[in-house]
Amino acid sequence: DAKTTQPPSMDCAEGRAANLPCNHSTISGNEYVYWYRQIHSQGPQYIIHGLKNNETNEMASLIITEDRKSSTLILPHATLRDTAVYYCIVTQGGSEKLVFGKGTKLTVNP
Amino acid sequence: EPEVTQTPSHQVTQMGQEVILRCVPISNHLYFYWYRQILGQKVEFLVSFYNNEISEKSEIFDDQFSVERPDGSNFTLKIRSTKLEDSAMYFCASRFQMYSNQPQHFGDGTRLSIL
Repeated sequence: DAKTTQPPSMDCAEGRAANLPCNHSTISGNEYVYWYRQIHSQGPQYIIHGLKNNETNEMASLIITEDRKSSTLILPHATLRDTAVYYCIVTQGGSEKLVFGKGTKLTVNP
Repeated sequence: EPEVTQTPSHQVTQMGQEVILRCVPISNHLYFYWYRQILGQKVEFLVSFYNNEISEKSEIFDDQFSVERPDGSNFTLKIRSTKLEDSAMYFCASRFQMYSNQPQHFGDGTRLSIL
């Protein structure tokens, strides 16, 4: 089972920031948090990952709490093309496999 | 930007037939993976492959499945005798391993339909 908990769905207005939360209370000290998204039935698309520091790239920002038990993915200016299922994934015990949960279905509305 | 490419995009096969799904990982990547997603369900890990060996596999990856890197560019998933329940999207992924946290990058999948 996935080690993360995400809300099943969220809505966001186009042009506004989308803030997607994720709980990972059992994360271990050397485990990373990865975010992917899946648009329709396309392959999962890598967004960003982090260990304990906040991270930013051209797609998004990742804010990880100091205790590392939760994180937030921020899409600063959501567009209609950001409508997708977003997955927060923590790798498990040195295994390389990604365990996908049900994710958060983000709908960006015009 | 380099991509993982998968062919064919859609494969239709009769039950009991063998099928080979093909993937071209990103060129300097060293770790390779297959996942599948049955319609309406979660993405599930099948197998990971490094240095010409399976490094990890799931319970789904039974004796009917095999993987191979036949040359320097392709990575294949073979299903020996397909069943109706093998119908799914199959995704290939690859990862560059300089540091253990490097992310996996996915292709857009092959839709496998078993009749």
